[in-house]
Order: sequence, then C-alpha cells, then structure tokens
Amino acid sequence: GAGVSQTPSNKVTEKGKYVELRCDPISGHTALYWYRQSLGQGPEFLIYFQGTGAADDSGLPNDRFFAVRPEGSVSTLKIQRTERGDSAVYLCASSRSGDYNEQFFGPGTRLTVL
Amino acid sequence: AQSVAQPEDQVNVAEGNPLTVKCTYSVSGNPYLFWYVQYPNRGLQFLLKYITGDNLVKGSYGFEAEFNKSQTSFHLKKPSALVSDSALYFCAVRGNNNDMRFGAGTRLTVKP
Repeated sequence: GAGVSQTPSNKVTEKGKYVELRCDPISGHTALYWYRQSLGQGPEFLIYFQGTGAADDSGLPNDRFFAVRPEGSVSTLKIQRTERGDSAVYLCASSRSGDYNEQFFGPGTRLTVL
Repeated sequence: AQSVAQPEDQVNVAEGNPLTVKCTYSVSGNPYLFWYVQYPNRGLQFLLKYITGDNLVKGSYGFEAEFNKSQTSFHLKKPSALVSDSALYFCAVRGNNNDMRFGAGTRLTVKP
C-alpha cells in the first residue's frame, strides 16, 4: 500500500514569505506527527495530531508555525514570515494510534529560505 | 524528560563483521524504544522497537537490539554487516505525549 507522502519535495522561498507543506498519511492512521530535521541532527518534534485535533503542539518553535488537519487525514504545516533559520527538512509521520505503534515517515520536504 | 543519546557519530566496520550501534536512554517510567534507519534521499524507516517482554528484540533486515535496564542501553546489533547497511541510524524513545525523541544519529559505514 501507499506510504506517507509529502509535497512538495523541495521548496525554495525568500525570507518573509509564507509557505505551506502538505502531508498525506497512510490511510486509516489516526495519529499524525510533524518533525523538523536540521543537517547533522535527529528529527525534532513539532506537533502531534490525534484525529482532527492537535493533541500536542509544544514543539512548535513560535507562533509563525501552525498546522491543521481539518478532516483527520491530510495535514498542512504553515509557516508565516519565513526566516533563514527555518531552513530544514520537514518530516511527517503517521501511526495507527498514538500509543506504542511505530511511526511511518514520509520522504520529507526540504525547505530552503534564502 | 525522555531522551536518548548516541555516543558515536560514526561507526566503521568491514563487511561480514558484526556491528554495534550504541544508544543509551534516560526516561521517567517505562521506556519505549525504537531504532530507525535513514538512507540518502529517503525517509526514516522503522527497524525495531522495545515495549515490553524479551530483552532481545529482532527487527527488519537482520537487525536486533538488546534492552539492558541496568545499563539503560538499547544497542543495535547485526551479526554480519553488509555494504548495503551503510546509512544513518537513529535511536528514539517515545516522549510523554506520544511524540518520538530522537538521538543525533550514527553514521554507519560498511566497507567491502
């Protein structure tokens, strides 16, 4: 079956612009996660959805970052007024539930802010 | 707070030799531990997990990991390394809110 997909695979934008990153989880997975991975580091948690609601958004670095999952499937990560420090690979993952099941990761979106 | 540490940035082994990638953890409560592998230009792939039960966990591609409570470790192992095992390996622990807390990663290089 299809895995987690993310679009676009690459995004180059200018400082101050707004960007949206999309994640399409595995069908039937109720839990969805966003992570950010900078070069040479492990993924860093941003936000976790259980169904449509954000169960934990404690990893979002500031109020320029926002994510939605309106129908409990596809999620969009939104970044306003992008800064050069936002450049990273943004990873999405999904799992069957929020318990002990392993998370399945998408290939990521590489965001470059010039 | 839940966390893991990978003390080695790089591990080099010869093909056919056993490999070990180290991970130690720090948790409050029971640890739920995971190993993932990341190949170039590909997403993280799940290898194995420890939730409870046997301390030796077997996973994908011939990998296994040993949970050691007294040493707070969860080292990844494989009896005979392949060149194709060369990749970036991440240890992770489930956080308090079902997120995954990752280590910094260990780059494994298997030389022919």
